[in-house]
Amino acid sequence: DGGITQSPKYLFRKEGQNVTLSCEQNLNHDAMYWYRQDPGQGLRLIYYSQIVNDFQKGDIAEGYSVSREKKESFPLTVTSAQKNPTAFYLCASSMAGRSYEQYFGPGTRLTVT
Amino acid sequence: ELKVEQNPLFLSMQEGKNYTIYCNYSTTSDRLYWYRQDPGKSLESLFVLLSNGAVKQEGRLMASLDTKARLSTLHITAAVHDLSATYFCAVDLQRGAQKLVFGQGTRLTINP
Repeated sequence: DGGITQSPKYLFRKEGQNVTLSCEQNLNHDAMYWYRQDPGQGLRLIYYSQIVNDFQKGDIAEGYSVSREKKESFPLTVTSAQKNPTAFYLCASSMAGRSYEQYFGPGTRLTVT
Repeated sequence: ELKVEQNPLFLSMQEGKNYTIYCNYSTTSDRLYWYRQDPGKSLESLFVLLSNGAVKQEGRLMASLDTKARLSTLHITAAVHDLSATYFCAVDLQRGAQKLVFGQGTRLTINP
């Protein structure tokens, strides 16, 4: 089955700790994306990557970091510098180019106390 | 800065009725996407609209794009309970890469 997996589904951390969210896809997509969703809000783009070893900041990159060492994987690290990290994090992927829809993973709900 | 606005934000309707969700955006774009999200779940792609005048239909849902008016509509015909969800539009602004800006979402509740 082709798709996008994110783990874990729920994650709890203490304030001041860095945490890494996993995103893996087996759709052979070149592009991958990370979004944040707050309750009752739309999605906001954190980082995106069009090819391996390259990524760009989205609209709210501060306090986050990513890597893209493999085509299938795009992990997101939420650092202690992110002031309000509690949110629902969604990873997506798409074929290269602007005419293709993005496919979303199931999401990780992060709670930081 | 691109702004994407949906209205209404909340919509409660009865089964069998028709209604339209509107998506306005502030900057020229010819790429617009509609997604559905069920509570606590991820997003599911509904429609990809790639040019002015594009119209797509799937079951009781029909989406259209007017790039001159910077407006997309999602029309629901003879609503059924299963269509209850939050619907998002997203506009792609950037050349050479897909960088989506999402609307706030329209929470649709369809009552029997």
